[in-house]
Amino acid sequence: AIGMTQSPSSFSASTGDRVTITCRASQDISSYLAWYQQKPGTAPKLLIYTASTLQTGVPSRFSGSGSGTVFTLTISCLQSEDFATYYCQQYHSYPYIFGQGTTLEI
Amino acid sequence: EVQLVESGGGAFQPGGSLRLSCEASGFTFNTYWMYWARQAPGKGLVWVSRIKTDGSSTSYADSVKGRFTISRDNAKSTLYLQMNSLRVEDTAVYYCARASSNYNFLTGYYYYMDVWGKGTTVTVSS
Repeated sequence: AIGMTQSPSSFSASTGDRVTITCRASQDISSYLAWYQQKPGTAPKLLIYTASTLQTGVPSRFSGSGSGTVFTLTISCLQSEDFATYYCQQYHSYPYIFGQGTTLEI
Repeated sequence: EVQLVESGGGAFQPGGSLRLSCEASGFTFNTYWMYWARQAPGKGLVWVSRIKTDGSSTSYADSVKGRFTISRDNAKSTLYLQMNSLRVEDTAVYYCARASSNYNFLTGYYYYMDVWGKGTTVTVSS
């Protein structure tokens, strides 16, 4: 199975900050990577797919980049509603694997 | 509005069985691959299973293979997860998800989960 490692696991930031989360795959997954946002007690929400394509309705302050084994999610100007947990997930091959999550805290 | 609504969760004993359902609306159900994922209390997301549009092909995580069965009824726009031989470690919120796809002309389709239900909680305890 392809391993997915996110860093950092948690991060303290303030509104207006620019933050970057990194996700590393244990082998080449091309651009088949998705990012999800999850708030406590709610379902995950798709933010980005194909490593850099913004899902419809997601604010443009979110962006993704990378290919192969290293990927990043960047939030350009943190808003209060962005404090949540973020997961990367490879969909190159089964079993699908999620990163362990990165929790953004105020 | 695209919507997925899971049901069937509750409290169950180890070794028991249950069937989760996921009712879909707002999209053409029989044209989408469908998935189940789960999240144990305080833990991360874990993919569980997937099924092709017509039900002819399925995949499972090793942790549930041989115990869980995914199926679908396209006439009812409903996805199912039959869970047998339950274990304490199956305790989780179970989400169903719709999958959309990327197409690569050399290697085919790749599916990502774009719409998720709110989840149903399964607790396995003696």
